[in-house]
Amino acid sequence: SYVLTQPPSVSVAPGQTARITCGGYNIGSKSVHWYQQKPGQAPVLVVYDDSERPSGIPERFSGSNSGNTATLTISRVEAGDEADYYCHVWDSSSDHCVFGGGTKLTVL
Amino acid sequence: QVQLQESGPGLVKPSETLSLTCAVSDYSISSGYYWGWIRQPPGKGLEWIGSIYHSGSTYYNPSLKSRVTISVDTSKNQFSLKLSSVTAADTAMYYCARTDSSSWKRPFDYWGQGTLVTVSS
Repeated sequence: SYVLTQPPSVSVAPGQTARITCGGYNIGSKSVHWYQQKPGQAPVLVVYDDSERPSGIPERFSGSNSGNTATLTISRVEAGDEADYYCHVWDSSSDHCVFGGGTKLTVL
Repeated sequence: QVQLQESGPGLVKPSETLSLTCAVSDYSISSGYYWGWIRQPPGKGLEWIGSIYHSGSTYYNPSLKSRVTISVDTSKNQFSLKLSSVTAADTAMYYCARTDSSSWKRPFDYWGQGTLVTVSS
């Protein structure tokens, strides 16, 4: 089955840029979606279709996808961005939904 | 603003069947979109369980397919999850959610708050 690999943790200072990766074989050919999950809360969709933002999501959140790696970029990181982030794709070969293992973003 | 609310027993005995319902408000399930179940064991990541359309068309995670049934009741505007032969490994927060269009391949843009189910005797 299709596997998505995320780093367990990423740390960044306030005001800096955080980059969270999601690796998968030929992931560039798939649509990648990203969720933010704060402690005790349900996930929130922050980027869909590689780089689109739902309404209400700050422009600081952006995404890219090419080759074997998709990336969620958070610019001008704020303390409130501290959360777990998950990537998500639909695997056409098995026709089911796959989530990455999640990355904990720590704001130093 | 679509709202989803999970409900069901918080404690299930091993080998029994876990049953949850997701009530949808401010949107008619019959109008479209796929509706899904996702779970998250304590301290771990998200796992998709399956998704259903208002017509009853379903897609399941192959790793759970033999134990999962998702159904929809359009008259009550809700959909349900049944997971049979549960073990401690099925202990998790269970979320219901909606896709952002009428395709099972799309991201989930609305989520319930989740309900914790513990499997224990």
